[in-house]
Amino acid sequence: AQTVTQSQPEMSVQEAETVTLSCTYDTSENNYYLFWYKQPPSRQMILVIRQEAYKQQNATENRFSVNFQKAAKSFSLKISDSQLGDTAMYFCAFMKQNTGANSKLTFGKGITLSVRP
Amino acid sequence: KAGVTQTPRYLIKTRGQQVTLSCSPISGHRSVSWYQQTPGQGLQFLFEYFSETQRNKGNFPGRFSGRQFSNSRSEMNVSTLELGDSALYLCASSLGGGTNEKLFFGSGTQLSVL
Repeated sequence: AQTVTQSQPEMSVQEAETVTLSCTYDTSENNYYLFWYKQPPSRQMILVIRQEAYKQQNATENRFSVNFQKAAKSFSLKISDSQLGDTAMYFCAFMKQNTGANSKLTFGKGITLSVRP
Repeated sequence: KAGVTQTPRYLIKTRGQQVTLSCSPISGHRSVSWYQQTPGQGLQFLFEYFSETQRNKGNFPGRFSGRQFSNSRSEMNVSTLELGDSALYLCASSLGGGTNEKLFFGSGTQLSVL
């Protein structure tokens, strides 16, 4: 079974600054995907970024980038130039590859990020 | 293109009752999965349906069931409600044809059991 750990329950950052959210995971799988999802007060889970485990290059999406360390089983999210709209809960998630049921996500407990004006 | 639609947004029930939640996936998506979100347990996978068949199931009691219709819309049912079933129930859809897919979530149904 897979586990995803987010040890920081909450963080705060000043607008326009950079913040890094931590995530570690445990799995015996070699092929998998890692995700960061954002859940604003509207409650809808929004995909922020996705990383394929077989790719060494870290994924980036505009102001969002990850630091994927496969050997250390670490997957952190860096948010640059933080904006007020980034205030939300952020969840790290894991998905096995090629299971025939590929939508089973294992989530961490989440971290509440507050961006201060 | 419309997103994933979940109805109702809020629901209040009493212990012992049953409840049915609905999820309409994005047009063209054939996979629908359900998650339960609580403050204590976080987000937990309930089950996934693809082409009207349950393809995967999480560790929930048999009181939790679901189904999918030919138009890919899905319903989940919880019978004999318990206080601990109070949660946000999220539905997600994807194309369902293979790996490396993105899941798109709805805004959830907030269920309160009194």
